[in-house]
Amino acid sequence: GAGVSQSPSNKVTEKGKDVELRCDPISGHTALYWYRQSLGQGLEFLIYFQGNSAPDKSGLPSDRFSAERTGGSVSTLTIQRTQQEDSAVYLCASSLVERNTYEQYFGPGTRLTVT
Amino acid sequence: GQSLEQPSEVTAVEGAIVQINCTYQTSGFYGLSWYQQHDGGAPTFLSYNALDGLEETGRFSSFLSRSDSYGYLLLQELQMKDSASYFCAASYNFNKFYFGSGTKLNVKP
Repeated sequence: GAGVSQSPSNKVTEKGKDVELRCDPISGHTALYWYRQSLGQGLEFLIYFQGNSAPDKSGLPSDRFSAERTGGSVSTLTIQRTQQEDSAVYLCASSLVERNTYEQYFGPGTRLTVT
Repeated sequence: GQSLEQPSEVTAVEGAIVQINCTYQTSGFYGLSWYQQHDGGAPTFLSYNALDGLEETGRFSSFLSRSDSYGYLLLQELQMKDSASYFCAASYNFNKFYFGSGTKLNVKP
């Protein structure tokens, strides 16, 4: 079956512009995560959606970052007034959350470059 | 966020066994996952421990000791294709995950 898809795969933008990143999770997966990975670094948790519950936004680095998930499926991560330090690979993952099942399936990521 | 500690780099030869350690902060901890990431690729799930002890999946095994706030990933019969970065990820408050900075494994012939 289809895996997690993300678009665009690459995005180059000028400092100060807004960008929107999209994630299509695996059908039926109730949990969706956004992470950020800088070159050679680990994954930084950004936000977590579970079903229809309010998202856990505690990892968002500033109020320039926001995310939504429509109809419990597709999610968009929006970065307003981009800064050079926002340059990174943005990874989306989904999982079918059951107790003791924590297998996350990752998309290929969106490489964001802010010039 | 919570911080996890793991070695930055490990080198081993084909056919050998290698252990990658990970320590984590205890407060709110639920379980420890392991992911593999090849250069330019997305992380892929390897293993998860919610309880103390060893979980075995083929050549890969993962261990957890809650009393020591410590876990490890054990890779046996190393192959060249195992050269990748390996991340431990701790789940807190059921579904918030924090990843370590990753261990780069270099497998040499």
